[in-house]
Amino acid sequence: DAGVIQSPRHEVTEMGQEVTLRCKPISGHNSLFWYRQTMMRGLELLIYFNNNVPIDDSGMPEDRFSAKMPNASFSTLKIQPSEPRDSAVYFCASSLGRIRHNEQFFGPGTRLTVL
Amino acid sequence: TQLLEQSPQFLSIQEGENLTVYCNSSSVFSSLQWYRQEPGEGPVLLVTVVTGGEVKKLKRLTFQFGDARKDSSLHITAAQPGDTGLYLCAGLITQGGSEKLVFGKGTKLTVNP
Repeated sequence: DAGVIQSPRHEVTEMGQEVTLRCKPISGHNSLFWYRQTMMRGLELLIYFNNNVPIDDSGMPEDRFSAKMPNASFSTLKIQPSEPRDSAVYFCASSLGRIRHNEQFFGPGTRLTVL
Repeated sequence: TQLLEQSPQFLSIQEGENLTVYCNSSSVFSSLQWYRQEPGEGPVLLVTVVTGGEVKKLKRLTFQFGDARKDSSLHITAAQPGDTGLYLCAGLITQGGSEKLVFGKGTKLTVNP
């Protein structure tokens, strides 16, 4: 069975450019999470959707970041404009339901480098 | 400020040795999870502990949740090269009316043959 699919796997861009990361959750999962991982801060939750509705976006660093989930099988995380400090590995995860009782399955991540 | 502190940050041992890694906090968690992450991949859940004092075993791995539900440990017996990876702990908290997992920075384990 296909797990969580993320694209691209690697992205190198220049400061000021728009970056769009994509995620396809596991079919049937109704919760989707975007995380960011850096050496300095570890793995941090950016935003959490349940049934395509954003539930908690308190981890989104600033207005340059936005996330959408137009349907149950697709989500995007957009950074506009990008800055060098956005360089990190971005993970998407999905689960069958809310956080407390359900395992989160992580995708392979997108490694973003902003020059 | 990191809510969950993991120690040690790095650990390099020989095959066959035993080891313990720690996950500590001043906060109380509803539950605590341990993940293993390999290079180029996302974290994979190993175990969830829910009750204070709970001990769970997964083959050579033993997980313990502290009595006060503020800390946890992972003990590996007779480590093997296949145990190499980044071990992350994550605590479940309620913040701003919604639940979320907060992660430690991890312990990077290398088991040398």
